Amino acid sequence: EAGVTQSPTHLIKTRGQQVTLRCSPISGHTSVYWYQQALGLGLQFLLWYDEGEERNRGNFPPRFSGRQFPNYSSELNVNALELEDSALYLCASSYRSGANTEAFFGQGTRLTVV
Amino acid sequence: GENVEQHPSTLSVQEGDSAVIKCTYSDSASNYFPWYKQELGKGPQLIIDIRSNVGEKKDQRIAVTLNKTAKHFSLHITETQPEDSAVYFCAAGGGSYIPTFGRGTSLIVHP
Repeated sequence: EAGVTQSPTHLIKTRGQQVTLRCSPISGHTSVYWYQQALGLGLQFLLWYDEGEERNRGNFPPRFSGRQFPNYSSELNVNALELEDSALYLCASSYRSGANTEAFFGQGTRLTVV
Repeated sequence: GENVEQHPSTLSVQEGDSAVIKCTYSDSASNYFPWYKQELGKGPQLIIDIRSNVGEKKDQRIAVTLNKTAKHFSLHITETQPEDSAVYFCAAGGGSYIPTFGRGTSLIVHP
């Protein structure tokens, strides 16, 4: 069974540009979480999608947005990139909503903003 | 919301020693406590978890203990091996519906 897959694995963008990151959850999982992991920092919660709806978002500006598709895959969009957006972006999925269920992570997308 | 504190931030041990990582949480409604291992260049991997109806859980060399009264839980690794070297994250969930993570512990096992 395939795990959580994220694409691309790496990308480099210029400040001010826009980027879209993609996540495919484990088959049967309906909840998708996005986290930002900046160098030396922990996992900062970005967004939570469940059954196609945004359920919650972390303390990030509106230029961080996303959506979940009918097949439960998800994408994260970041507009007007800033240098401090450079980080590893992680997607996790769980088979039902709620933070009391196992969440499995993908390998992440390493974003570098120059 | 939930707040998770994790200590120490760095832990250095000799191969064969035990390692203990401790976490505290703030939301008494949290009832699920997973631990993740993140190796360099990879995403976090779930290694063990515990729910609030259990005080201890063991899986080979790894064990987790939970004290709900004191709101703290710990990861214990016995007979450490160099391949245990990684960053370990604790998390708490169930109350706010968002898994909240600690800041991570970098475990270094010296051969």
